[in-house]
Amino acid sequence: SQQGEEDPQALSIQEGENATMNCSYKTSINNLQWYRQNSGRGLVHLILIRSNEREKHSGRLRVTLDTSKKSSSLLITASRAADTASYFCATDAWRGAQKLVFGQGTRLTINP
Amino acid sequence: NAGVTQTPKFRVLKTGQSMTLLCAQDMNHEYMYWYRQDPGMGLRLIHYSVGEGTTAKGEVPDGYNVSRLKKQNFLLGLESAAPSQTSVYFCASRPRTGQLNYGYTFGSGTRLTVV
Repeated sequence: SQQGEEDPQALSIQEGENATMNCSYKTSINNLQWYRQNSGRGLVHLILIRSNEREKHSGRLRVTLDTSKKSSSLLITASRAADTASYFCATDAWRGAQKLVFGQGTRLTINP
Repeated sequence: NAGVTQTPKFRVLKTGQSMTLLCAQDMNHEYMYWYRQDPGMGLRLIHYSVGEGTTAKGEVPDGYNVSRLKKQNFLLGLESAAPSQTSVYFCASRPRTGQLNYGYTFGSGTRLTVV
């Protein structure tokens, strides 16, 4: 079963704007991770946030985590055409067996 | 440093045929995973391994078998392919850490079509 549900399923914005994607999950977690997938390619790890962290930054990426609401958001600032991709959240469950469970992803399109 | 390498990249099988997908990693990672990705479904875990000689079932293991005879290789087998196994297959790996807080490294995928 899917652990994470992402919203929106698709997002289209203009270059330079900010993009926000949301992820909700069901069970307690060790950490939550975000991945990017360009069309026809494998997934690339972007950022990991631990269950005891509330916010994390990496370059133009900002991730927040609210464990009380079982939700996370990924913000990409000053978007570029190269950011066009699908973005997936994945959760590593507390007391789980070291395996990630992925959401269905958000398809982000950056229009020039 | 090649990371995670999957072979083959593409394959077309007839229903009932068998095949093996190979995943090789050169990062000395302990944990390895096989996922399948279908449109609108995200990634679903087929099987995984937490070390050489060990394997375990994931979310959708039926119709697949795996082996981890060497630490660097994780093989996914389809004994009798079915059209429902048409998918893109991804292998991933990660190191063993004390706090289990590492991201996965993914291969580029194998696109399999069963006709």
